[in-house]
Amino acid sequence: KQEVTQIPAALSVPEGENLVLNCSFTDSAIYNLQWFRQDPGKGLTSLLLIQSSQREQTSGRLNASLDKSSGRSTLYIAASQPGDSATYLCAVRIITQGGSEKLVFGKGTKLTVNP
Amino acid sequence: GAGVSQSPRYKVAKRGQDVALRCDPISGHVSLFWYQQALGQGPEFLTYFQNEAQLDKSGLPSDRFFAERPEGSVSTLKIQRTQQEDSAVYLCASSPGTALHEQYFGPGTRLTVT
Repeated sequence: KQEVTQIPAALSVPEGENLVLNCSFTDSAIYNLQWFRQDPGKGLTSLLLIQSSQREQTSGRLNASLDKSSGRSTLYIAASQPGDSATYLCAVRIITQGGSEKLVFGKGTKLTVNP
Repeated sequence: GAGVSQSPRYKVAKRGQDVALRCDPISGHVSLFWYQQALGQGPEFLTYFQNEAQLDKSGLPSDRFFAERPEGSVSTLKIQRTQQEDSAVYLCASSPGTALHEQYFGPGTRLTVT
């Protein structure tokens, strides 16, 4: 059974710092990996999608890497800002034996960026 | 264009009541997913539709949960005889088709069972 773990569970940093959020998964048979942001009381906003054949994706100050063989992904946030404060969720897309597909999520990392 | 919408945004139900949660996916999206998110946890898969066909309902917690998508667009998640443990945020997501595409999420429905 696929399990996704995110470390740390919470992180508090001063504004301007570069930071790394970690995600690990137990089964390397994934289709892709998606990083999301969730603000309190809101739905999920997709940040980056990395296909299983890719090593990294970049969008603005965000860079996500994927090492499928070791079951790890990192989300790097450069020059953090207070507006980056949110919970960041990592999810892997799997195809089940029955031909279905779904996302398996970690519990998230709650990030606080202090002004 | 319009994103995924869900209604109601908030629902309070007394234990034992039936509830119906609606999801309007992005127009033309073939795949539709329901997830349940308990407080402080990541979302957990409930069920998956491809057009009107429910291909996977393995995540539904009990036979009190039922989902449908009769015309391949709007979907309804119904919970019968609600229990306190059903309190959670119910998220709907849609995707254009293949697993290569990302899933787009709605704002969720927060269900509180009292």
